[in-house]
Amino acid sequence: DAGVTQSPTHLIKTRGQQVTLRCSPISGHKSVSWYQQVLGQGPQFIFQYYEKEERGRGNFPDRFSARQFPNYSSELNVNALLLGDSALYLCASKDYATETQYFGPGTRLLVL
Amino acid sequence: AQSVTQPDIHITVSEGASLELRCNYSYGATPYLFWYVQSPGQGLQLLLKYFSGDTLVQGIKGFEAEFKRSQSSFNLRKPSVHWSDAAEYFCAVVLVTGTASKLTFGTGTRLQVTL
Repeated sequence: DAGVTQSPTHLIKTRGQQVTLRCSPISGHKSVSWYQQVLGQGPQFIFQYYEKEERGRGNFPDRFSARQFPNYSSELNVNALLLGDSALYLCASKDYATETQYFGPGTRLLVL
Repeated sequence: AQSVTQPDIHITVSEGASLELRCNYSYGATPYLFWYVQSPGQGLQLLLKYFSGDTLVQGIKGFEAEFKRSQSSFNLRKPSVHWSDAAEYFCAVVLVTGTASKLTFGTGTRLQVTL
């Protein structure tokens, strides 16, 4: 079975630009969460989506937005990029039967 | 609010030696606890989890963890470390509210294995 997939794997942007990251959950999982992991830190929760609705939001500015599609894949958008947005962005899909989140390989974003 | 503390930023052990990584949590109710491992440049792989029941849980790759409510701890152990275990280890607690769930992670412990 395929795990959580994310694209692209790496991305380089300049300050002020916008970026879109994509995630496909494990087949059968209806919930997707996004996390930001800055170098040397643990992942920080950004959003959770379930059945296309936002179910949770972390302490991130409005420049961060997300959506979930009917096939349960998801996009994370970040506008007006700052240098501090450079990080590994992780997507996780949740198995509600076991309350367990499974992570994808991440998208590494570098903002110059 | 829930929180997780991993007191050891960096640990070095010799291959074949035993390992214990510490994790302390702060949570108002019975927590759901997890250990994840992250190899350089990779995503997070689930090692094991505790929800309820037996306080000693077994995971993949020979790892185990023990939940101790009285100490608010969930330490990860392995009796004999292999060089391939070198990675970063994260302890996490999940807050579940209806259909919403949010993982809160510790800052991680980097494990170095010497040959």
